[in-house]
Amino acid sequence: TQLLEQSPQFLSIQEGENLTVYCNSSSVFSSLQWYRQEPGEGPVLLVTVVTGGEVKKLKRLTFQFGDARKDSSLHITAAQPGDTGLYLCAGVWGDKIIFGKGTRLHILP
Amino acid sequence: SQTIHQWPATLVQPVGSPLSLECTVEGTSNPNLYWYRQAAGRGLQLLFYSVGIGQISSEVPQNLSASRPQDRQFILSSKKLLLSDSGFYLCAWSVGIDSKEQFFGPGTRLTVL
Repeated sequence: TQLLEQSPQFLSIQEGENLTVYCNSSSVFSSLQWYRQEPGEGPVLLVTVVTGGEVKKLKRLTFQFGDARKDSSLHITAAQPGDTGLYLCAGVWGDKIIFGKGTRLHILP
Repeated sequence: SQTIHQWPATLVQPVGSPLSLECTVEGTSNPNLYWYRQAAGRGLQLLFYSVGIGQISSEVPQNLSASRPQDRQFILSSKKLLLSDSGFYLCAWSVGIDSKEQFFGPGTRLTVL
């Protein structure tokens, strides 16, 4: 069974601080996606990373795929209250997509 | 542009009652369609997916079923709800054979009492 472990489960920080959340697995994925979900809504796709070592930037968010394609990180610079939400990673393995349980991020104003 | 609709938005049902949740997609043809359940502390659980009309794959054995009567319509059903069926139900679509990028609907919050 392929599992994606996300850490930390919860993170509460002050506006303006930097943070990194992680998505780890013992399995190799063909690609990995990051989503953000706000309460009562469906997740929204932020980015897909495909190549080992790939780095993608989305404004203040930086996503990195591990060299071995088993893990990924999301770094947020100068966090804003609008970054608050549940961040989910999802790994594609063959025909399957597997979601982690998410990191719940709360940015305090 | 593509849009995905789910209804109802919220539902409160007694144990043993039937269920029908509907999902429709606009602006795309022959999408792959998915039903997920999201429960607190358990993440997103894939329930069913469909690659075409009448084609349903079940990921988890349970008292739920799915049907795809039209290209852009996906229905989740149950004949008798259990307490454990409570959760947030999400429909999603993707396109292409290889792409697994999921585009989610707004979800249905189901409470079984």
